[in-house]
Amino acid sequence: QVTLKESGPGILQPSHTLSLTCSFSGFSLSTYGMGVSWIRQPSGKGLEWLASIWWNGNTYNNPSLKSRLTVSKDTSNNQAFLKVTSVDTADTATYYCAHTPSNGFDYWGQGVMVTVSS
Amino acid sequence: DIQMTQSPASLSASLGETVSIECLASEDIYNNLAWYQQKPGKSPQLLIYYASSLQDGVPSRFSGSGSGTQYSLKINSLESEDAATYFCLQDSEYPYTFGAGTKLELK
Repeated sequence: QVTLKESGPGILQPSHTLSLTCSFSGFSLSTYGMGVSWIRQPSGKGLEWLASIWWNGNTYNNPSLKSRLTVSKDTSNNQAFLKVTSVDTADTATYYCAHTPSNGFDYWGQGVMVTVSS
Repeated sequence: DIQMTQSPASLSASLGETVSIECLASEDIYNNLAWYQQKPGKSPQLLIYYASSLQDGVPSRFSGSGSGTQYSLKINSLESEDAATYFCLQDSEYPYTFGAGTKLELK
């Protein structure tokens, strides 16, 4: 059974770096074809894909966030990570991680709310 | 970036009715299209992947179709639990992009 759970700071100040962790079970990020993606959703709004990391270490980021995103993984501990630098209020959202096989995001975490506020 | 234009933005239908939601891609996405259902306060749930493949555990009243740039989600015999917001996603190329969503209300 695939499960994922996001964790993060809850609230942080503008210009700081947001660090999120996705802890998962039921699959390995060292298995061929497996990936984890990050998606966010501002309250009451739509979904935005942020980044994906794959079993082979390849990463892909949404260029709309320029170079603010870093995604990484710890295969041994079944975790994936997302860092967003220089946050501002527009980064306030619920952040999800999702299991990413070859098509779509089939299992999602419950999401973690992140508020950027001074 | 591939733009996904989803319509309608909202929809009101009665129990037992059949509804369709459309997504139009700005270029050919080669059936790399998924549909999600999201209820308030919950994570999106995958319904359909690769345009027409039903995800395990999803009721057969949900179906997907389309090709090229035009795709649709059909829900037959609406049930009360189908009240939700529905999103399409193209994962044909990066950056992956979502439709803006369709809010389905049951009368």
